[in-house]
Amino acid sequence: DGGITQSPKYLFRKEGQNVTLSCEQNLNHDAMYWYRQDPGQGLRLIYYSQIVNDFQKGDIAEGYSVSREKKESFPLTVTSAQKNPTAFYLCASSIGGTGDEKLFFGSGTQLSVL
Amino acid sequence: KNQVEQSPQSLIILEGKNCTLQCNYTVSPFSNLRWYKQDTGRGPVSLTIMTFSENTKSNGRYTATLDADTKQSSLHITASQLSDSASYICVVSAAGSYIPTFGRGTSLIVHP
Repeated sequence: DGGITQSPKYLFRKEGQNVTLSCEQNLNHDAMYWYRQDPGQGLRLIYYSQIVNDFQKGDIAEGYSVSREKKESFPLTVTSAQKNPTAFYLCASSIGGTGDEKLFFGSGTQLSVL
Repeated sequence: KNQVEQSPQSLIILEGKNCTLQCNYTVSPFSNLRWYKQDTGRGPVSLTIMTFSENTKSNGRYTATLDADTKQSSLHITASQLSDSASYICVVSAAGSYIPTFGRGTSLIVHP
């Protein structure tokens, strides 16, 4: 069954700690994205990648890092530099990353600060 | 700056009633417009896509309209069901841009 898998569903971060959110897709899509969603806010783009070993900053990249070593994987690290990390994080993919394609989303990871 | 504005911010209706959600955009040059449905604690799922030449498109009880001249779209839900309770997000893509523009969504609650 093709789709995007995010893990874990819930994650807690301590002060000064880096945490990594996993995103895996088996849709054979070239492009992958990370979005942050806060209550009452629209989705904001953190990073996106249109091809393996390449990625671009989105609107709110500060305090986050990503890697794209494999086509199917796009992990997001929330670093200690991100002072307000509590949010719902969504990973998405699209066929080619042209910007006008349907986005396929994972089920999200809720990150909270202890 | 490309922007997408949705209204109302939230809406409460009784089961079986109809409702209409609005989306106004300033994205240019226009490529397409999609409506997504996001259940609580889940990722958004695409409902419909509207291109420049399309005025109306239906997907079951969901009907989307597009007026490219006034840069407005609407999503009409007929005979609402409890499962329609969700956030509905309007997403507009600009030609030549790698990143679509998201609206903040309309939160719909359907009461029995």
